[in-house]
Amino acid sequence: GQSLEQPSEVTAVEGAIVQINCTYQTSGFYGLSWYQQHDGGAPTFLSYNGLDGLEETGRFSSFLSRSDSYGYLLLQELQMKDSASYFCAVRALTGFQKLVFGTGTRLLVSP
Amino acid sequence: ETGVTQSPTHLIKTRGQQVTLRCSSQSGHNTVSWYQQALGQGPQFIFQYYREEENGRGNFPPRFSGLQFPNYSSELNVNALELDDSALYLCASSETVYNSPLHFGNGTRLTVT
Repeated sequence: GQSLEQPSEVTAVEGAIVQINCTYQTSGFYGLSWYQQHDGGAPTFLSYNGLDGLEETGRFSSFLSRSDSYGYLLLQELQMKDSASYFCAVRALTGFQKLVFGTGTRLLVSP
Repeated sequence: ETGVTQSPTHLIKTRGQQVTLRCSSQSGHNTVSWYQQALGQGPQFIFQYYREEENGRGNFPPRFSGLQFPNYSSELNVNALELDDSALYLCASSETVYNSPLHFGNGTRLTVT
């Protein structure tokens, strides 16, 4: 099976940089994804790492190290609208797209 | 481009009853998945449908069932509701069965009393 652990809550101020970590125990997976979910809203795809290394998409970057069973999401130039929950997720080694989500991190951005 | 839409947004049912939740996929997406999200937790995979057939299932009992229609819309049916079924039910569509991002709807909040 798979399990993914994340810090429950992270706080930061506008303009700052924050890193949300994701450590996992899994026998194998295709890649690591990140989703953002505002209260009462739908999870929204942010980033995907199929290979080790850094992927950059605007203010967001994501990193994966399979040897360390570790990944992170980096958010730069934080804005108030970034306050949300963030989930890492791995795609299980199956013939269909089953995502296993982490425990989620609630990010609170203050002025 | 129309996104994923789900109905109803909220629903209250009594233990033992049956419920049907509905989902319209994003235009051009032929694959739909359903997830259950309990309060404060990450979504959990229920099952996936492709070309009107279930092609993958998570650790949910048979009383959770679904359908996909020729227009790729979908239904989630839950029989014999239990209190623990209270959760946000999310529908997600994707372009392919394999590695493409999931596009989620806003979900249906089900409360079982």
